[in-house]
Amino acid sequence: SQQGEEDPQALSIQEGENATMNCSYKTSINNLQWYRQNSGRGLVHLILIRSNEREKHSGRLRVTLDTSKKSSSLLITASRAADTASYFCAVRSFGANSKLTFGKGITLSVRP
Amino acid sequence: GAGVSQTPSNKVTEKGKYVELRCDPISGHTALYWYRQSLGQGPEFLIYFQGTGAADDSGLPNDRFFAVRPEGSVSTLKIQRTERGDSAMYLCASSPDGNNYGYTFGSGTRLTVV
Repeated sequence: SQQGEEDPQALSIQEGENATMNCSYKTSINNLQWYRQNSGRGLVHLILIRSNEREKHSGRLRVTLDTSKKSSSLLITASRAADTASYFCAVRSFGANSKLTFGKGITLSVRP
Repeated sequence: GAGVSQTPSNKVTEKGKYVELRCDPISGHTALYWYRQSLGQGPEFLIYFQGTGAADDSGLPNDRFFAVRPEGSVSTLKIQRTERGDSAMYLCASSPDGNNYGYTFGSGTRLTVV
């Protein structure tokens, strides 16, 4: 089963605008990660936020985590056409041998 | 190597045939994962290796699927008696320890069963 559920399923914005993508999950987590996938290629790790962190930044990316609501958001500021891709959130539960469970993804289109 | 390498990049096979998919992880990464991704879906977990041993194989759909990592580096995913429903992108990823880092994914093997 896919624990992470992203919202919206698809997002279309104009270049220069900000893109906000949301993720909800069901159980307690050790960390939450966001990945990007360009069409037909492998996933690229963007950012990892631990359960005891509330916000993290990396370049134009800002991730928040609300463990009380079991949700996270990924904000891409000043979007570019090259940001067009699918974005996935993935959660890792507690436990030494826990693996990442991915959501179905959000398709982001940035119009030039 | 510099990244995770998967071979072949594409594989077309006939229903009922046996296939092997190879993954060469980043040198020194002890954790290795196999995922399967269908069109429009997120990656679905298959199996996780920590070193040479399968720490979690709960995602393997049935006994036609098997994976090995005999020396703790290269891994092979083996599918027997392939079915059309096995057609998907098979993704391999590695991580330094599986707990505190993100995964580095390979480019995947696109398997098509005809």
